[in-house]
Amino acid sequence: GAVVSQHPSWVICKSGTSVKIECRSLDFQATTMFWYRQFPKQSLMLMATSNEGSKATYEQGVEKDKFLINHASLTLSTLTVTSAHPEDSSFYICSAGGQGSSYEQYFGPGTRLTVT
Amino acid sequence: DQQVKQNSPSLSVQEGRISILNCDYTNSMFDYFLWYKKYPAEGPTFLISISSIKDKNEDGRFTVFLNKSAKHLSLHIVPSQPGDSAVYFCAASAVGTYKYIFGTGTRLKVLA
Repeated sequence: GAVVSQHPSWVICKSGTSVKIECRSLDFQATTMFWYRQFPKQSLMLMATSNEGSKATYEQGVEKDKFLINHASLTLSTLTVTSAHPEDSSFYICSAGGQGSSYEQYFGPGTRLTVT
Repeated sequence: DQQVKQNSPSLSVQEGRISILNCDYTNSMFDYFLWYKKYPAEGPTFLISISSIKDKNEDGRFTVFLNKSAKHLSLHIVPSQPGDSAVYFCAASAVGTYKYIFGTGTRLKVLA
């Protein structure tokens, strides 16, 4: 199956700083990447959909100025959490999809963000 | 409004027996369904999928059944193994989109 990586896997930052999370599709070109957030013992909540070369589409309730998404190439999407606050602490997961006719999404291993 | 629901937060099954995980959805536009397995602090791993044109899909020990009229799908794992212990999510997408809505997950524990 396709491989998706995320970097970093774990990050601690101070309140008010910004953090960038990278998502890479290693062995296929991902026309579409998705960013999810998971709170403890809860489902994965879709934050936004990013298509290569265009602006991301954010889900209702997600602040696009706070969660900046860039999908600069077919193998890389980045999520930047700006002016992070403790309530932004969560597990962020990306996925890549749209490979050929497959509806499957391939998930990265996730990034644990802790804001102190 | 939870469009995809997994009403059982947890399930315990004896090793070798069948595990049945259930998922209900409300949106009749959903036409493609996936099951994912997830370990703590890891990303989900794809297990099996089913399109709305089918009512059953089988892959090894895993079988997914889809009942469109009831808007219900289930994942059967036979025989269950201790390594199957994880959280299982069902996810659904609507016609023409790769956007998935996830259920809340069911934690499966297979007892040795």
